Amino acid sequence: GAGVSQSPSNKVTEKGKDVELRCDPISGHTALYWYRQSLGQGLEFLIYFQGNSAPDKSGLPSDRFSAERTGGSVSTLTIQRTQQEDSAVYLCASSLVALGAYEQYFGPGTRLTVT
Amino acid sequence: GQQLNQSPQSMFIQEGEDVSMNCTSSSIFNTWLWYKQDPGEGPVLLIALYKAGELTSNGRLTAQFGITRKDSFLNISASIPSDVGIYFCAGQKANAGGTSYGKLTFGQGTILTVHP
Repeated sequence: GAGVSQSPSNKVTEKGKDVELRCDPISGHTALYWYRQSLGQGLEFLIYFQGNSAPDKSGLPSDRFSAERTGGSVSTLTIQRTQQEDSAVYLCASSLVALGAYEQYFGPGTRLTVT
Repeated sequence: GQQLNQSPQSMFIQEGEDVSMNCTSSSIFNTWLWYKQDPGEGPVLLIALYKAGELTSNGRLTAQFGITRKDSFLNISASIPSDVGIYFCAGQKANAGGTSYGKLTFGQGTILTVHP
């Protein structure tokens, strides 16, 4: 498909376990973003990539959260030692570039539940 | 983190009615975007606004970028049942160089229910 894809769509994990969430951006989009959406809330920015570098990691809530992007395409968001407050929908978006008026297009999200 | 003030939080309307929702901020944004989110899906872009005062339409949707750059509104005319969902505004700030910066700041959403 031509859109942003994310996997898995749902993830249930036990508290203290590590999880990896994957994002495949739209082909040709150089900018990639991760957001988190808690129940009934708006989206909260986590991190964005321009190419493989991450100029802004300011939204990552703690050092248990990290993300990487390789080959300027696929990105992985890793949460170590998960806590119950990490339960949320994690959304990925991509845009043609980051600087300039370029719209962000979102994937369907990964719903993470920490038990 | 910072969020935009979006209102109303929810709306219950009859099919055929017009709808209006808005977002305000204490700081300036260079770009305003409006998204719609259906249950279990990611947000879908409806309208993007790039210039203060700009008025843009997309079918039955009309959105405006406030002249102060601190607000935006979205109107939906002649609502239909498939308009049901959560509508989010999002703002994008300029970086020091004056071009838009990637990070989006979102409102908390307006839940729209349309009764047939």
